[in-house]
Amino acid sequence: SAVISQKPSRDICQRGTSLTIQCQVDSQVTMMFWYRQQPGQSLTLIATANQGSEATYESGFVIDKFPISRPNLTFSTLTVSNLSPEDSSIYLCSAEPARGFFGQGTRLTVV
Amino acid sequence: GDSVTQMEGPVTLSEEAFLTINCTYTATGYPSLFWYVQYPGEGLQLLLKATKADDKGSNKGFEATYRKETTSFHLEKGSVQVSDSAVYFCALIPMFSGGYNKLIFGAGTRLAVHP
Repeated sequence: SAVISQKPSRDICQRGTSLTIQCQVDSQVTMMFWYRQQPGQSLTLIATANQGSEATYESGFVIDKFPISRPNLTFSTLTVSNLSPEDSSIYLCSAEPARGFFGQGTRLTVV
Repeated sequence: GDSVTQMEGPVTLSEEAFLTINCTYTATGYPSLFWYVQYPGEGLQLLLKATKADDKGSNKGFEATYRKETTSFHLEKGSVQVSDSAVYFCALIPMFSGGYNKLIFGAGTRLAVHP
């Protein structure tokens, strides 16, 4: 099994700034996934991060807004850039989602 | 593209009532199907899953059967408890996902159980 530590758990940020979210997995995993859950809505996949290559972004998400790093097989970061109130959401990372391994989520509020 | 459709909530039940949350999917071939649960203030948890037609996933008294003929994966529980109050998400991993195993979620159904 894999345990995923995600931080911060929540943050309040000023518009125009950026927030970097970190996820640490306690075992090596090939792929990590980043999701967004807007208020009262379902989860939408932002991108898939594979170690050693650029992340693959889903339609509607771009690297300039959501840069991702994947320096090794146990760690990944998601940055949400140039924040606006519309970015207020919960962001979750996942490894091996078919086995249910998700981080606890980061609740971002942009003011 | 592949998608998941869930019944709209909220679903409000009395304790010990029977629960059904409908889920249907659109996908090519045989996707893997999942139910996730999100309790208030907590993260996402895998509740159960099924990976091939006619499989039944079960956990904590919940069960769901993979019905290829009706492209459905309805969640059921015979007797709900107040502690089952949560948001339930149906999800799938496409059969041809290129090894990426990316989950596609339904909109979620909020369940509220009253004593």
